[in-house]
Amino acid sequence: ETGVTQTPRHLVMGMTNKKSLKCEQHLGHNAMYWYKQSAKKPLELMFVYNFKEQTENNSVPSRFSPECPNSSHLFLHLHTLQPEDSALYLCASSQLTSGSYNEQFFGPGTRLTVL
Amino acid sequence: AQSVTQPDIHITVSEGASLELRCNYSYGATPYLFWYVQSPGQGLQLLLKYFSGDTLVQGIKGFEAEFKRSQSSFNLRKPSVHWSDAAEYFCAVATYSGGGADGLTFGKGTHLIIQP
Repeated sequence: ETGVTQTPRHLVMGMTNKKSLKCEQHLGHNAMYWYKQSAKKPLELMFVYNFKEQTENNSVPSRFSPECPNSSHLFLHLHTLQPEDSALYLCASSQLTSGSYNEQFFGPGTRLTVL
Repeated sequence: AQSVTQPDIHITVSEGASLELRCNYSYGATPYLFWYVQSPGQGLQLLLKYFSGDTLVQGIKGFEAEFKRSQSSFNLRKPSVHWSDAAEYFCAVATYSGGGADGLTFGKGTHLIIQP
């Protein structure tokens, strides 16, 4: 595997289900991100992990719970979602380097549908 | 807080014609600017980036962009489009807080349609 991978690619769940999205980066990066892409809104940053520590939570509802067990893996745990949470969820990674900014690399996304 | 405006939701261009996609940003300091492309069902692929230096930057697939500080713009151009360029294009800006991981702020995107 190369780059950033995400599983599953498609997920359909009911509002009472619990599911998890998985992201894995094979680039040796040390920062990972979750973004939400809805049909009618710009891409929105949800969470940022910097050296496995969450450094940003962009006012995301508690029904979304991120987990970053190591610098290569990032999860998004979902529970009691609403239909408006249906979206494409994108994971990204980047390499943090002191004194400079490096671009983010994106995975293909998980298309989530909440019924 | 920073923001990005892509004023054109849809643009239709004939194959072989030139292309310019507009992007304006709002940010107090010098931003880090990006253009990403997204094909249907795919993630985002980086086309090019501007961090500093020469204001005309070259990217992949024959794209280029010019940073104009006075206009707060970072427009994307291509001299001759191909049918495979049909996709959604996103302009994004990042701030840099000196070592922390900073997320990107995206525009709403421009949907590019190529006419044969």
